[in-house]
Amino acid sequence: GQQLNQSPQSMFIQEGEDVSMNCTSSSIFNTWLWYKQDPGEGPVLLIALYKAGELTSNGRLTAQFGITRKDSFLNISASIPSDVGIYFCAGSAYSSASKIIFGSGTRLSIRP
Amino acid sequence: DVKVTQSSRYLVKRTGEKVFLECVQDMDHENMFWYRQDPGLGLRLIYFSYDVKMKEKGDIPEGYSVSREKKERFSLILESASTNQTSMYLCASSYREKLFFGSGTQLSVL
Repeated sequence: GQQLNQSPQSMFIQEGEDVSMNCTSSSIFNTWLWYKQDPGEGPVLLIALYKAGELTSNGRLTAQFGITRKDSFLNISASIPSDVGIYFCAGSAYSSASKIIFGSGTRLSIRP
Repeated sequence: DVKVTQSSRYLVKRTGEKVFLECVQDMDHENMFWYRQDPGLGLRLIYFSYDVKMKEKGDIPEGYSVSREKKERFSLILESASTNQTSMYLCASSYREKLFFGSGTQLSVL
């Protein structure tokens, strides 16, 4: 079946650093989504991507739909303490939420 | 804003108990979902429902059942809880491919 590989699994950052994470798929996707989960909460949608090559921003967050349609990237610029949490990529080859596959998540922590 | 409400944040149950997890959404969405979240495994789909009284198995339905008697409410049932069902359970509703999640229920089965 389809698989999503998300990396890195975890990262420790200094406040003010830029952050990058990515997901790769074993097959082509038509939709890529990025979610963030704060501690003790459910995931919240950050960015949705629908076209190969698409680059979309949401404040300090920028995500890209890879041109091969098998990968996606999320960048966070000038990180702040509230960026801490787990970031999930998700993708689908269909337009239905029931077909979405999630990556295993990237846990972002602030280095003391 | 879409609101998905899960009835309990934390539950502790004993092996063999019947467990009900309740979820309500207020956006008139057709589709509702139950996911399980375990460290390192991401979110795995247990069941989803695309209409009242309609349900489909997800990737890991074994040991679970669901009920959707009203459009806004979707229940997950563990008929006989086991220790390997200790996990975070997330309910969601969707508009097209966009999922909106509740805050989750952390279930511990002892």
